[in-house]
Amino acid sequence: DTGVSQDPRHKITKRGQNVTFRCDPISEHNRLYWYRQTLGQGPEFLTYFQNEAQLEKSRLLSNRFSAERPKGSFSTLEIQRTEQGDSAMYLCASSPKGEKLFFGSGTQLSVL
Amino acid sequence: KQEVTQIPAALSVPEGENLVLNCSFTDSAIYNLQWFRQDPGKGLTSLLLIQSSQREQTSGRLNASLDKSSGRSTLYIAASQPGDSATYLCAAHQAGTALIFGKGTTLSVSS
Repeated sequence: DTGVSQDPRHKITKRGQNVTFRCDPISEHNRLYWYRQTLGQGPEFLTYFQNEAQLEKSRLLSNRFSAERPKGSFSTLEIQRTEQGDSAMYLCASSPKGEKLFFGSGTQLSVL
Repeated sequence: KQEVTQIPAALSVPEGENLVLNCSFTDSAIYNLQWFRQDPGKGLTSLLLIQSSQREQTSGRLNASLDKSSGRSTLYIAASQPGDSATYLCAAHQAGTALIFGKGTTLSVSS
């Protein structure tokens, strides 16, 4: 059990560029979650997967955001045409059956 | 729609003091209630999970209680230490949906 791994830890990009983040969950955890957190706020839910199926998407997830979890293993979150308002910490979590969530260290995105 | 509120937003106490952090939720039909700790710039660490059928959970100096009927949970920290300084988040989990978080309580324990 190596924990939830997220890559990269930090990403600085220019407005309008596309970015992609990766999350490797704890092996055998069938649920994977993406959250976004801004300074002074709690994490806001974006989307979650059970195995490879994307079961729920928040309305926060605009059409510029897309997430995938091919083969029910790692997941990617892509943001197209980034905006300054996308600057935030993007957190990934996994759980065995929707019980206790295990979070990664997050990817801090700064859009200039 | 579930909403989670945490009071106070910030708290400063001297080392050794016992303290209580409060969490309230609007929809009592929860699956479980979870408490997390977050250090600056880091991810979240799970502290305690209380199932909807339980009243409390304990881990070391931490005790979390749950009162579904009133929509409240508390996190009790005994004999606080400077190392307890962090942001504490509670989250309500409803069946079939993701965790909904409060904004957190930022705790500072001075030595």
